[in-house]
Amino acid sequence: GIQVEQSPPDLILQEGANSTLRCNFSDSVNNLQWFHQNPWGQLINLFYIPSGTKQNGRLSATTVATERYSLLYISSSQTTDSGVYFCAGSPAGGSYIPTFGRGTSLIVHP
Amino acid sequence: NAGVTQTPKFQVLKTGQSMTLQCAQDMNHEYMSWYRQDPGMGLRLIHYSVGAGITDQGEVPNGYNVSRSTTEDFPLRLLSAAPSQTSVYFCASSYSRDNGYTFGSGTRLTVV
Repeated sequence: GIQVEQSPPDLILQEGANSTLRCNFSDSVNNLQWFHQNPWGQLINLFYIPSGTKQNGRLSATTVATERYSLLYISSSQTTDSGVYFCAGSPAGGSYIPTFGRGTSLIVHP
Repeated sequence: NAGVTQTPKFQVLKTGQSMTLQCAQDMNHEYMSWYRQDPGMGLRLIHYSVGAGITDQGEVPNGYNVSRSTTEDFPLRLLSAAPSQTSVYFCASSYSRDNGYTFGSGTRLTVV
C-alpha cells in the first residue's frame, strides 16, 4: 500500500498566526482529502481535492498530483482550529478507499 | 438528519465476548468503510464495501467480520473480543469513489 507522511507532527500557534501543513504520498493517489478531528473526536471533511486549489473561508488546500503532495493552509488561526488534521488518499488504480496519514496535532492558544 | 449513524457510542466488553457495532447511512452512499483509531496511529482500514453484497478486507481485518446486505447498513462484528481491539471505531461513507468521505461520530470500545 501507499505511505502517507504528514508534517509537522505537532504545531503550536498563537491565535491569529498562519500555518501550512504538508502531506506527502509514496505513490500516485486518487481522491485526496483533508479532515479535521476536533477535541471531541468528531471527524469533519474539509476538502476533497485530487488536484488544484480550493478555498473555504480561512482554509485553503493545494494538491500537486504529479509531485505527490498536498498542502493545507490555515490563515488567521482561531482556538476552534485546534485538533488533529489528517490527509488521506487511495492508490491510483486501486480500491479508491482512502489510506490516512498519522495526522498533525494543532494547538492554538488565545 | 442525513448522515452516518453509529451505535453504540461507548461499550465495555469482556475478553472473549462478541458484539456488533452498527453503522447506518441515509445518503444512498455506495462506499462504506470501517476504520479503527489508536493513539499515534492515525486511522487504519479494517473492512470496506463498494456496494450491497460486496465487501473486502483492509489493512487490519483479523478478528472482525462484515456484511452488506443493504445499501444503508454496514455492521462490524467482533467475533471474540481481545484487549488489542480496545480502540475507537469509525464508520465512513461516500457516494462514489470520486467523492469525499463522511464519518460517523465513532464508537469507543474497551475490552477488559
